[in-house]
Amino acid sequence: SSELTQDPAVSVALGQTVRITCQGDSLRSYYASWYQQKPGQAPVLVIYGKNNRPSGIPDRFSGSSSGNTASLTITGAQAEDDADYYCNSRDTSANYVFGTGTKVTVL
Amino acid sequence: QVQLVQSGAEVKKPGASVKVSCKASGYTFTGYYMHWVRQAPGQGLEWMGRFDPNSGNTKYAQTFEGRVTMTRDTSISTAYMELSRLRSDDTAVYYCARDVRGGETRYYYYMDVWGRGTTVTVSS
Repeated sequence: SSELTQDPAVSVALGQTVRITCQGDSLRSYYASWYQQKPGQAPVLVIYGKNNRPSGIPDRFSGSSSGNTASLTITGAQAEDDADYYCNSRDTSANYVFGTGTKVTVL
Repeated sequence: QVQLVQSGAEVKKPGASVKVSCKASGYTFTGYYMHWVRQAPGQGLEWMGRFDPNSGNTKYAQTFEGRVTMTRDTSISTAYMELSRLRSDDTAVYYCARDVRGGETRYYYYMDVWGRGTTVTVSS
């Protein structure tokens, strides 16, 4: 089965920029989607497709993709962005897989 | 507005089964696939499978094949996920999430609306 690998944790100073990456073979065929999860809450979709934000997601969140790597960038991180972030992708066998998750700490 | 409302917390003994429900509102239930995702305490998200409420077709993660069953009742716009032969490591929060897909030259798939989760505790 396919796998998606993320860095376990990153930190960013308030107002600075942070990039979270997600690597996996399935990303060569399909775009990743990205989810933010805060403690005790359900995940929330923040980025999908090439670089699309659902209604209500701030424009400081953006996505990109190259080869087998997808990235989520937070430009001008805010205190409320302190959360876990997961990528997700479908693979060619119609299975879905979540990344290992990245804990973002806003300092 | 689009909403997924899940059933309440469950406590089960090892070897038992649990059935979690997910009631959809605000959209055409049969028009979107539904995913089930779980999260064990302190762990990441784990995809369990996806279900087509229109046809009843399923795609289960290999990890859960033989133990999970996803069904629906279209008359009440409700999806169900039943997990059998429960073990202590099945203790987790179980989520339902609506599937959306699109794209032309390159496809994308995502889960745009999530239920609040159902806590299942397996303990003797």
